[in-house]
Amino acid sequence: NFMLTQPHSVSESPGKTVTISCTRSSGSIASNYVHWYQKRPGSSPTTVIYEDDQRPSGVPDRFSGSIDSSSNSASLTISGLKTEDEADYYCQSYHSTTVVFGGGTKLTVL
Amino acid sequence: QVQLVQSGAEVQKPGSSVKVSCKASGGTFSSNAISWVRQAPGQGLEWIGGIIPLFGTANYAQKFQGRVTITADASTSTAYMDLSSLRSEDTAVYYCAREVTSGTWGMTVWGQGTTVTVSS
Repeated sequence: NFMLTQPHSVSESPGKTVTISCTRSSGSIASNYVHWYQKRPGSSPTTVIYEDDQRPSGVPDRFSGSIDSSSNSASLTISGLKTEDEADYYCQSYHSTTVVFGGGTKLTVL
Repeated sequence: QVQLVQSGAEVQKPGSSVKVSCKASGGTFSSNAISWVRQAPGQGLEWIGGIIPLFGTANYAQKFQGRVTITADASTSTAYMDLSSLRSEDTAVYYCAREVTSGTWGMTVWGQGTTVTVSS
C-alpha cells in the first residue's frame, strides 16, 4: 500500500494564499482521485475538495485542488485566507479496496 | 440532501465490543460506499473500513482486520460498525461518511460522530 505525506503545519497571514501538499509514496497520484477535508476541533470533518479539484456546493471558490504528476503530489490551495480557515486539513485517496489518509496539516492563520 | 445520523455515545470496558449505527436519510443508500473513520484524541483521521450496501461486501483497513465487522441494511438505510476486543487505544470519535460518486471512496457527507470511551 501507499502513504500520503503532508507537512505537519503551515502558517500564513489573513488575506494571503497558502498551499498544502500531499505526496503519494508509490503509484501514480493520478491513478486515484484525491479528496481534501477540513477538520475543526469538536466538529465533524467537512469536504472542501473532492475528486482532485471539485468543490462541494457551499465551499467558497477560495479553495482549489490540483494534482501534479511530476512531483506525484496533490495540492490544496486556499486564497484570501480568513481566520475561520484555521483548522486541520487532510488529504485522502484510495487504491485496491483501501482508503488512505494523509497525516494532516495544521493551518494557522495569524 | 443525504444526511447521516449516528447512534449515541458509548462507554465500554476493555475486552468488550461496541456497535455504532449510521442511518441515512434524504437520498439513495445502496450504491454509494459508506466508510467508517475515527479520530483518537490528538491523532489524525484513520479509515477503519467501508461497505457498498448494494453489494454487501465490506473492505477493512489491515490494522482492524479480524476485529471489526461493517454491515449495512438497505431496507432501513442503516450501516453498522462493530468493533470487538476493545482496548483503551480505541477511545475515539467514530464517524460514518458517504461517498459522493460511486467508486471514488471520497466522502462528502459525514455523520455527527459517536464518542466511544474504553475504560475500566
